[in-house]
Amino acid sequence: KNEVEQSPQNLTAQEGEFITINCSYSVGISALHWLQQHPGGGIVSLFMLSSGKKKHGRLIATINIQEKHSSLHITASHPRDSAVYICAAFGYSGGGADGLTFGKGTHLIIQP
Amino acid sequence: DVKVTQSSRYLVKRTGEKVFLECVQDMDHENMFWYRQDPGLGLRLIYFSYDVKMKEKGDIPEGYSVSREKKERFSLILESASTNQTSMYLCASSLTWGQPQHFGDGTRLSIL
Repeated sequence: KNEVEQSPQNLTAQEGEFITINCSYSVGISALHWLQQHPGGGIVSLFMLSSGKKKHGRLIATINIQEKHSSLHITASHPRDSAVYICAAFGYSGGGADGLTFGKGTHLIIQP
Repeated sequence: DVKVTQSSRYLVKRTGEKVFLECVQDMDHENMFWYRQDPGLGLRLIYFSYDVKMKEKGDIPEGYSVSREKKERFSLILESASTNQTSMYLCASSLTWGQPQHFGDGTRLSIL
């Protein structure tokens, strides 16, 4: 089973700071997802990565397949970015339920 | 827009009761998922369905069963509810394996 580690578990930063959240996994995957969960519980899918880099607004996600590592960056952070960020590693198609493992999440607080 | 609807936001049941949690998606997605989310443990997959009447066990299937009689509906059943099943339950769907998941708002279930 894939072991997925996220760091840091908790992060408090000031508005405007550059934020990095890391996710590493132990077994090769077909895709890695980054999810965002705001207080109140709603979960939104931010990115799906299988290689390289993706950007959406102030959010950037990268993945290094050889090193089995992904990062989520937030530029010019804002209090509305405060949320729990979760990475999810998908095994290869047909891998079924054994191919889906979540990190425990990073609780991010951006102070004004 | 994509919509995943869970039947209840909050639910209180008694130990020993049979509990049904319903999830409906309107996107003609093949895959549907049931998760529970607990503090410190993160998201854990209970069951996954990749087609009508097809299912696979996730990490923690004990004490649960599922039903998918129609493509749009995926039900989670607690056969005989116990207090350790008090949790937040989240349903999600995706077009195919590894594609972005769309989450429902969650059901906070309390078993007394």
